[in-house]
Amino acid sequence: DTGVSQDPRHKITKRGQNVTFRCDPISEHNRLYWYRQTLGQGPEFLTYFQNEAQLEKSRLLSDRFSAERPKGSFSTLEIQRTEQGDSAMYLCASSLVGGVRTEAFFGQGTRLTVV
Amino acid sequence: GDSVTQMEGPVTLSEEAFLTINCTYTATGYPSLFWYVQYPGEGLQLLLKATKADDKGSNKGFEATYRKETTSFHLEKGSVQVSDSAVYFCALIKGSQGNLIFGKGTKLSVKP
Repeated sequence: DTGVSQDPRHKITKRGQNVTFRCDPISEHNRLYWYRQTLGQGPEFLTYFQNEAQLEKSRLLSDRFSAERPKGSFSTLEIQRTEQGDSAMYLCASSLVGGVRTEAFFGQGTRLTVV
Repeated sequence: GDSVTQMEGPVTLSEEAFLTINCTYTATGYPSLFWYVQYPGEGLQLLLKATKADDKGSNKGFEATYRKETTSFHLEKGSVQVSDSAVYFCALIKGSQGNLIFGKGTKLSVKP
């Protein structure tokens, strides 16, 4: 296993279009997180899943954002009707709750540019 | 709410210099504290962590001590290398498996 992978690495879209990002966590990890990072800021929490259940959503996650983890493995983050303010790096992380090592491992992120 | 404050960057040092990056936090209870590092073009990597007061996390020559009395978790390294050039993020977790709350990050550049 090579760690958390995210696809695509870069996405340029026009304002108003929908975009979808994918995250494949470390295979045995049961928890999956989404964060957003803008230039000069630290990552900000968006939402997380325990297996397939979405347990918490930040108020940053507006109605235009939706995340799924249908089989408790990979996850998708969709942004509808993108706005320029959505331009950011979207980070996915996974962890194993109840394991020996519980820290979160991060993917390289998907950089979204809305033009 | 809970928060993390880091010293502003960028920090520029010469090779073999001593490094300190300050981090303070605001949180109720007893959070776990972390330092993550982001090398150019790579994802965030856990550098070190401490889960209770007076614990010292260490890795790759970096150290940080969880100081509850000063609510701090300063990152130190005795002799930095060019390869340490990266962005460093201080973070906390409330509870055992909550989401991370990050500081803004501190960019470190080490010159040969």
